[in-house]
Amino acid sequence: EVQLVESGGGLVQPGGSLRLSCVASGFTLTSYAMAWVRQPPGKGLEWVSSINYNGGYIFYADSVKGRFTISRDGSKNTLYLQMNSLRAEDTAVYYCAKAYSSGYYDPFDYWGQGTLATVSS
Amino acid sequence: EIVLTQSPGTLSLSPGERATLSCRASQSISSGRLAWYQQKSGQAPKLLIYITSSRATGISDRFSAGGSGTDFTLTISRLEPEDSAVYFCHQYGYSPHTFGQGTKLQIK
Repeated sequence: EVQLVESGGGLVQPGGSLRLSCVASGFTLTSYAMAWVRQPPGKGLEWVSSINYNGGYIFYADSVKGRFTISRDGSKNTLYLQMNSLRAEDTAVYYCAKAYSSGYYDPFDYWGQGTLATVSS
Repeated sequence: EIVLTQSPGTLSLSPGERATLSCRASQSISSGRLAWYQQKSGQAPKLLIYITSSRATGISDRFSAGGSGTDFTLTISRLEPEDSAVYFCHQYGYSPHTFGQGTKLQIK
């Protein structure tokens, strides 16, 4: 059974940093593309970043480029999102999502339960 | 980027009726790489449909979808109370991925 479990969210001041983790089970992380998608409270979904199956292609939304970094550790079957220079508008539930296949141009067939990151002074 | 506009914003129907949800793209999604997700309150999104009309694993045949170019539709037949949720469309054929703002479906 595929499972994705996120952690690392919390309250941080503007300008601060958080590192989100997503532990995957039931499949091999390095065989699929993975993504982070966020949802501000009461609002819609926004794609944040994707990494393809071998880590050779990484993509970011313009809103986070230069501030967020996606990475993964195959030995731990874990996906990460390092978030620096956080702003109030980054406040959201962050979901880890597994792509249907190995590439960037795939839908997301499994999602974690999400972790809430709140940026506020 | 491709902007997806969903309509209506809210839909209120009775059990047994049919729901038709629309997703319009600001430019053609010629690849057909459009998906639909269901998100129930307090839960993560769930993939229903991918590549315009293919049902994801385990999804009831009450859910069907179609369309082409800039106009796509999700149809839910024989509505059940458990179908109450927000439904999002998602285009993944062009960078960046984008989502519609969602349609809230209420079952009376």
